[in-house]
Amino acid sequence: AQKVTQAQTEISVVEKEDVTLDCVYETRDTTYYLFWYKQPPSGELVFLIRRNSFDEQNEISGRYSWNFQKSTSSFNFTITASQVVDSAVYFCALSGPRDDKIIFGKGTRLHILP
Amino acid sequence: IAGITQAPTSQILAAGRRMTLRCTQDMRHNAMYWYRQDLGLGLRLIHYSNTAGTTGKGEVPDGYSVSRANTDDFPLTLASAVPSQTSVYFCASGLGAGYNEQFFGPGTRLTVL
Repeated sequence: AQKVTQAQTEISVVEKEDVTLDCVYETRDTTYYLFWYKQPPSGELVFLIRRNSFDEQNEISGRYSWNFQKSTSSFNFTITASQVVDSAVYFCALSGPRDDKIIFGKGTRLHILP
Repeated sequence: IAGITQAPTSQILAAGRRMTLRCTQDMRHNAMYWYRQDLGLGLRLIHYSNTAGTTGKGEVPDGYSVSRANTDDFPLTLASAVPSQTSVYFCASGLGAGYNEQFFGPGTRLTVL
């Protein structure tokens, strides 16, 4: 069975600090896809990134970076020099090669304090 | 471009009443999904549709029904609402298959009293 665990329920950091959101997944598929979504206070979920299991290169997009480690079944998300606008709930998600649907973790609520 | 629209934005409903949540997308996506979001439980899939004319059950389908008469619309019906269905409901769409990201609507906040 597929499962996504986001052990950090809530995190608070002071603005400009770096913060890492953890995501651990379980799957029996050899091909799978990992996602991160952001849900700001406005409520609408926003797609951030998709990663294929056969591509272990880490990804950087501005202040955001993602560390994919198959050996530990983790797909962690780091925000560098955090800003108040980064305050949101972040969801990690997983799907398989034939899946019609995505399995979401329970989310991590991130507070960036000014 | 509207993307995905949901109606109503919020609703208070008496238990036992029937309610349909509307969802429309203009991206011509094959697949559509309904999720509910509850505190501490994250997003849980209720029903999905891979293409017009087909639907499937998600993780928490009981008490809900869906239809997919065309590509754009995917209404979610609560035949007889119960208080445990109080939640925020999100509709999403995508190209289908697991490797494609989903795009979400703004959500409907439903309170069943």
